[in-house]
Amino acid sequence: QKEVEQDPGPLSVPEGAIVSLNCTYSNSAFQYFMWYRQYSRKGPELLMYTYSSGNKEDGRFTAQVDKSSKYISLFIRDSQPSDSATYLCAMSASDNNDMRFGAGTRLTVKP
Amino acid sequence: DAMVIQNPRYQVTQFGKPVTLSCSQTLNHNVMYWYQQKSSQAPKLLFHYYDKDFNNEADTPDNFQSRRPNTSFCFLDIRSPGLGDAAMYLCATSGGGYSNQPQHFGDGTRLSIL
Repeated sequence: QKEVEQDPGPLSVPEGAIVSLNCTYSNSAFQYFMWYRQYSRKGPELLMYTYSSGNKEDGRFTAQVDKSSKYISLFIRDSQPSDSATYLCAMSASDNNDMRFGAGTRLTVKP
Repeated sequence: DAMVIQNPRYQVTQFGKPVTLSCSQTLNHNVMYWYQQKSSQAPKLLFHYYDKDFNNEADTPDNFQSRRPNTSFCFLDIRSPGLGDAAMYLCATSGGGYSNQPQHFGDGTRLSIL
């Protein structure tokens, strides 16, 4: 079993839809949870950074962490064609900065 | 803008011919990382520097070496590239040592092996 599991998609939605992206993990030591967006032929760009369980909202993006279920989500409201990218979840434990990534979900938002 | 810059963006080398990839940062972060990312896969950590302290991942091939001459620059040397080393190589930095600051990435160098 991989430490971080993420459905690779691809996921295709119409413009304006609400997008839900998810990751599960097996290491209960993970405390810090991140979502990165990666456009084609570019490096990952940090979108959301959360600590422990709970919700965090930033504009159209909401990150949720449920540590009891070892499950994290990223919601994108009013999705736009410019949101088309690969979304990577990442997480690390509290005693080091060794980050583990999911394989990424490829999202396409169609006009 | 403060950033992480990788050069070159695209690198083509021959099988077995040494190649060096470079990374520079203006963030003044003390931790720098090198990742390998193959198509549709998660980035895989190769090694990182905490200041001048080098930390190698256990499964990083001996073929891969790194240098960090100062805070701003870090190099990835591949001594004898094989076909399996064709990938995107990502450099990242984080501040605050091991206090779990998020990592910031460059745009990568895409390495092709002929």
